[in-house]
Amino acid sequence: AQSVTQPDIHITVSEGASLELRCNYSYGATPYLFWYVQSPGQGLQLLLKYFSGDTLVQGIKGFEAEFKRSQSSFNLRKPSVHWSDAAEYFCAVGSTGGGNKLTFGTGTQLKVEL
Amino acid sequence: DTGVSQDPRHKITKRGQNVTFRCDPISEHNRLYWYRQTLGQGPEFLTYFQNEAQLEKSRLLSDRFSAERPKGSFSTLEIQRTEQGDSAMYLCASSPPSQGSGYTFGSGTRLTVV
Repeated sequence: AQSVTQPDIHITVSEGASLELRCNYSYGATPYLFWYVQSPGQGLQLLLKYFSGDTLVQGIKGFEAEFKRSQSSFNLRKPSVHWSDAAEYFCAVGSTGGGNKLTFGTGTQLKVEL
Repeated sequence: DTGVSQDPRHKITKRGQNVTFRCDPISEHNRLYWYRQTLGQGPEFLTYFQNEAQLEKSRLLSDRFSAERPKGSFSTLEIQRTEQGDSAMYLCASSPPSQGSGYTFGSGTRLTVV
């Protein structure tokens, strides 16, 4: 069964500092991988996704993520964090067959200090 | 197109009552998903539809839960005889038929059972 681990429950960074959120997945084949962001009381917004090809993918809001098959990781990065980036971030793995069902991690809560 | 719409945004109900939520997906998306999210957790898959056919149901979906998608358009999720453990955010998402497409989520329905 597919699974996702986000080892950091909370992360605090200063505005302008760089950010890396960790994600490890378990899946039997080449996975589809996603990062979503959720603001309080809201639904989830897709930041970026990886299917195949270039292992460094660019997303919205200046985010990028790198797929590393050898480490089963898909870490999210941003060079310079803005106060508006404070939110909860979810990594997800999607099945390559069937109905595109996504399995989410437990999320990382990002706090940005001004 | 205004994205995925969910109604109501909030619902407070007494234990034992029935509740029904509605989701209107993006019109050209043939896949529709229901997820449940509790505090501090990532979304958990409940069920999904391809057009009007319900193709998969999670074991999380007890007999008290039923979902429909008549005519492959909007969907409803009904919970009968609600329990306090049903309190959660219920998220609806839709996606196009292409494999590996990310979802577009609605803003969710927050259910509180008192």
